[in-house]
Amino acid sequence: SQKIEQNSEALNIQEGKTATLTCNYTNYSPAYLQWYRQDPGRGPVFLLLIRENEKEKRKERLKVTFDTTLKQSLFHITASQPADSATYLCALVNTGGFKTIFGAGTRLFVKA
Amino acid sequence: SAVISQKPSRDICQRGTSLTIQCQVDSQVTMMFWYRQQPGQSLTLIATANQGSEATYESGFVIDKFPISRPNLTFSTLTVSNMSPEDSSIYLCSVVLAYTDTQYFGPGTRLTVL
Repeated sequence: SQKIEQNSEALNIQEGKTATLTCNYTNYSPAYLQWYRQDPGRGPVFLLLIRENEKEKRKERLKVTFDTTLKQSLFHITASQPADSATYLCALVNTGGFKTIFGAGTRLFVKA
Repeated sequence: SAVISQKPSRDICQRGTSLTIQCQVDSQVTMMFWYRQQPGQSLTLIATANQGSEATYESGFVIDKFPISRPNLTFSTLTVSNMSPEDSSIYLCSVVLAYTDTQYFGPGTRLTVL
């Protein structure tokens, strides 16, 4: 069956370091992949979208890579700040439609 | 991006009653969806709201329990019917804007059923 896996354990890092979050998927051929930030009790906020033919995408301190051979996406936050503390969700959309599947999310804590 | 509003933002309801959640978008959208997110869980798609016709429900969700309307391109409602404590969750409206692939979410409605 189709599956998306994100680190279930929280990631704790020191302010100023780079946070790296992982999204692995199986039995799925995504047309593109999206990353969202979610704060407690709020709706997810869109961050970045990367297509299957793109290797890397950047936006300010954020970088996403997409390896369709490894079936993996990495999400990096450079120069992390305590305000980056949140849950980050990975979401895949299949070819030909908007059937989006979400990962369970990884909780990130950035300590000052 | 789009401004998506949901009403109410939260509610506490009694078992057996129904609640209707509204979603309004300020931009042209191609698709609208309703999701549920139970505590500590990821998002689960309830249905795709179709303009002027019946919604398309995912496995495990039925129209009698979650009736959905979408009378125009930018507005939809989700009703949670005959509620039980298991329906306590955050309900999220989501849209895909015209001419984009990006999916945006509303702020959510936090529902508690006693």
